[in-house]
Amino acid sequence: AQRVTQPEKLLSVFKGAPVELKCNYSYSGSPELFWYVQYSRQRLQLLLRHISRESIKGFTADLNKGETSFHLKKPFAQEEDSAMYYCALSRGAAGNKLTFGGGTRVLVKP
Amino acid sequence: GAVVSQHPSWVICKSGTSVKIECRSLDFQATTMFWYRQFPKQSLMLMATSNEGSKATYEQGVEKDKFLINHASLTLSTLTVTSAHPEDSSFYICSAHRGYEQYFGPGTRLTVT
Repeated sequence: AQRVTQPEKLLSVFKGAPVELKCNYSYSGSPELFWYVQYSRQRLQLLLRHISRESIKGFTADLNKGETSFHLKKPFAQEEDSAMYYCALSRGAAGNKLTFGGGTRVLVKP
Repeated sequence: GAVVSQHPSWVICKSGTSVKIECRSLDFQATTMFWYRQFPKQSLMLMATSNEGSKATYEQGVEKDKFLINHASLTLSTLTVTSAHPEDSSFYICSAHRGYEQYFGPGTRLTVT
């Protein structure tokens, strides 16, 4: 069975500081990994996925198959980055059902 | 584009009654929709996959007779919580699949008294 682990429930950083959200997964096949974000009083939305290898809102994430990790990073956090972040795994083809991690709340202080 | 709506946004019902939650893809067609449940301060847990024109597939531990799913059209899936109990109180979220992405609804908060 697949599992996604986000060890930090809360990350509090100051504006301008780097932020890294950890995500580890377990899955025997070839997973597709995603980061979803939920801003206050908004719905869940896709932030980025590992296949696209792009930077969204300054965030990047690299899939490390050896360490089975997909950590999310941003070098300079902004106050508008305060939100709930979920790492998710999809088995195989894109659009398949997702397994979510427990989520990490990021609070960026001024 | 790619907007998903849910109705109602919140509902209160009495124990033993049934309540229906609608999930609509407003500007695209979705052959596959998903239903999740989220407890307070917890993550989303997939309940079932809703397939247009066929039976839903349920995750292990989810009672299919309690959580009835109907996906009668390419833009609408419904989740009916039958014989609701207080432990069914939760936040229910749907998503619709398009391309490589799932688009999420705003969620429905169900409170069973």
